[in-house]
Amino acid sequence: SQQGEEDPQALSIQEGENATMNCSYKTSINNLQWYRQNSGRGLVHLILIRSNEREKHSGRLRVTLDTSKKSSSLLITASRAADTASYFCASKNAGNMLTFGGGTRLMVKP
Amino acid sequence: EAGVAQSPRYKIIEKRQSVAFWCNPISGHATLYWYQQILGQGPKLLIQFQNNGVVDDSQLPKDRFSAERLKGVDSTLKIQPAKLEDSAVYLCASSPGSLGHLHTEAFFGQGTRLTVV
Repeated sequence: SQQGEEDPQALSIQEGENATMNCSYKTSINNLQWYRQNSGRGLVHLILIRSNEREKHSGRLRVTLDTSKKSSSLLITASRAADTASYFCASKNAGNMLTFGGGTRLMVKP
Repeated sequence: EAGVAQSPRYKIIEKRQSVAFWCNPISGHATLYWYQQILGQGPKLLIQFQNNGVVDDSQLPKDRFSAERLKGVDSTLKIQPAKLEDSAVYLCASSPGSLGHLHTEAFFGQGTRLTVV
């Protein structure tokens, strides 16, 4: 079974609003990564946060990591219609194993 | 640099037939992953290679699935015989993978969409 779970499973917002997605994982990690997948396409890496980091920013993306709760969140600010996609968190352990959650399907309405 | 190449892009087979997928990772990447992604779900790790050795294959249904990575470069994933529930997208990914590169992302191919009828 998958390592992580994501919440919510689906999210619908208006353009310009912020979108927050949450992820939980089960075992110890080296880092936590977020990926994006457009319908019918491969996964594209968005951002990586190491286990000793608590927050990281990249453009309109902000990711947080709470290792005590084994959870992470991804915030997309000022969303655009082009942000419509599925978003997945993936945890990487010491053995380089990369395990994905179930994903959040984000729809941004123009 | 060239990305991860996968072929074929699409495959339709009848149940009980066999099928093979091919992956060419990014040059120099030691780690190669195969994932199965069923529609509406997240990718499920089937097998992870480090060079030509298997690191983890705990979720690979070994009675019907097999994978190899000869010479630590290209990899093939085979299903024999296929079942209806094997219908999914099969994704290959690679990453540098050495001890000095734990904090790197994985690069994904476009996947092979398999339909078993």
